[in-house]
Amino acid sequence: GAVVSQHPSWVICKSGTSVKIECRSLDFQATTMFWYRQFPKQSLMLMATSNEGSKATYEQGVEKDKFLINHASLTLSTLTVTSAHPEDSSFYICSARDSSSGRHNEQFFGPGTRLTVL
Amino acid sequence: GIQVEQSPPDLILQEGANSTLRCNFSDSVNNLQWFHQNPWGQLINLFYIPSGTKQNGRLSATTVATERYSLLYISSSQTTDSGVYFCAVGQGGKLIFGQGTELSVKP
Repeated sequence: GAVVSQHPSWVICKSGTSVKIECRSLDFQATTMFWYRQFPKQSLMLMATSNEGSKATYEQGVEKDKFLINHASLTLSTLTVTSAHPEDSSFYICSARDSSSGRHNEQFFGPGTRLTVL
Repeated sequence: GIQVEQSPPDLILQEGANSTLRCNFSDSVNNLQWFHQNPWGQLINLFYIPSGTKQNGRLSATTVATERYSLLYISSSQTTDSGVYFCAVGQGGKLIFGQGTELSVKP
């Protein structure tokens, strides 16, 4: 149980284009999902908290107009990197919390999406 | 904000050896998780352990919340244990990650 998927697993795009990444909880409902970014040889940094049916909460220093988050249902959150630039190249990872389980604070992670902007 | 420190940053072991990884945190937390990040980047949940002790095969973990630290024990290490181990602590639903311990197990 507690499986989270991401699509695509990798994407290469040209500078100035937009890229959408999907995060799905496959076998549980997630009212809250999280988006992280990880640069090579570094730790994960939380970008934003995605809440089903309401606006996302962004961490300090994360541009909300550049990283658009939509939590359309209890099993799907999307991250759109708008007008991507080479410095946005990174590994993007989502996680979800199974609020129905007894361990409601535990987060389960997707396999990540590697974004390369040329 | 809360600070999370992991030690050691790097660890090289011979197959079969035991090891202890440490995670110190600066404030009270309502969540603590240990992860293993494999070479493809996938984070594998090892333990959800805001307090107490748990064991799963060759791995075990202990969190002493009152003293703000957690330990991950790996016994009889195998080459497949190689990778980065992260400790992450939670406050108000968010997870804050430590910098990780990169473990390399040599055959």
